[in-house]
Amino acid sequence: SAVISQKPSRDICQRGTSLTIQCQVDSQVTMMFWYRQQPGQSLTLIATANQGSEATYESGFVIDKFPISRPNLTFSTLTVSNMSPEDSSIYLCSSKATNEKLFFGSGTQLSVL
Amino acid sequence: QKEVEQDPGPLSVPEGAIVSLNCTYSNSAFQYFMWYRQYSRKGPELLMYTYSSGNKEDGRFTAQVDKSSKYISLFIRDSQPSDSATYLCAMRKNNNDMRFGAGTRLTVKP
Repeated sequence: SAVISQKPSRDICQRGTSLTIQCQVDSQVTMMFWYRQQPGQSLTLIATANQGSEATYESGFVIDKFPISRPNLTFSTLTVSNMSPEDSSIYLCSSKATNEKLFFGSGTQLSVL
Repeated sequence: QKEVEQDPGPLSVPEGAIVSLNCTYSNSAFQYFMWYRQYSRKGPELLMYTYSSGNKEDGRFTAQVDKSSKYISLFIRDSQPSDSATYLCAMRKNNNDMRFGAGTRLTVKP
């Protein structure tokens, strides 16, 4: 299984600021995924990040709000821009191991005041 | 109607009880079925992974898939306080398109 290190684990931010979340995988992976997890709701895919190309965003999510970088096959960042209290959530990165199973980082608990 | 329905609980059982967790789904194209366990302030951890219909057992955990009824279950035998967590069902078609249940919060009391 892949091991994914995600940081920060939690942060409290002011409205209008931005936060960048980092994920490091212990092996090379083709695709990385960014999810949002809101209380009482299922995980929602924000975007898929491929190395060497622009991220693919799901309906309801845009690059200006959630820019993603994928500089190599083991690392990705998600930025939550111009934050509002509605962005308060858990953000998770994930990747697929070679056996097609999906593994997750430990999550970032974001609170926006 | 949501594609994947999961009773959010919370579910509270005494130590040693058999726990049954369930999800229903509406899309018959789902082929792969998973259960994740998520402890508080942690990311989801893959617990069980099955393909198509049938049962799969791993220690105290048994996953069942009934594609004719569009119903999946996770059974936990001899439940322990360390099993207290939120359990997420997940499923996907033959691609990257995953769908998750909202999670069932389980507490096992000593």
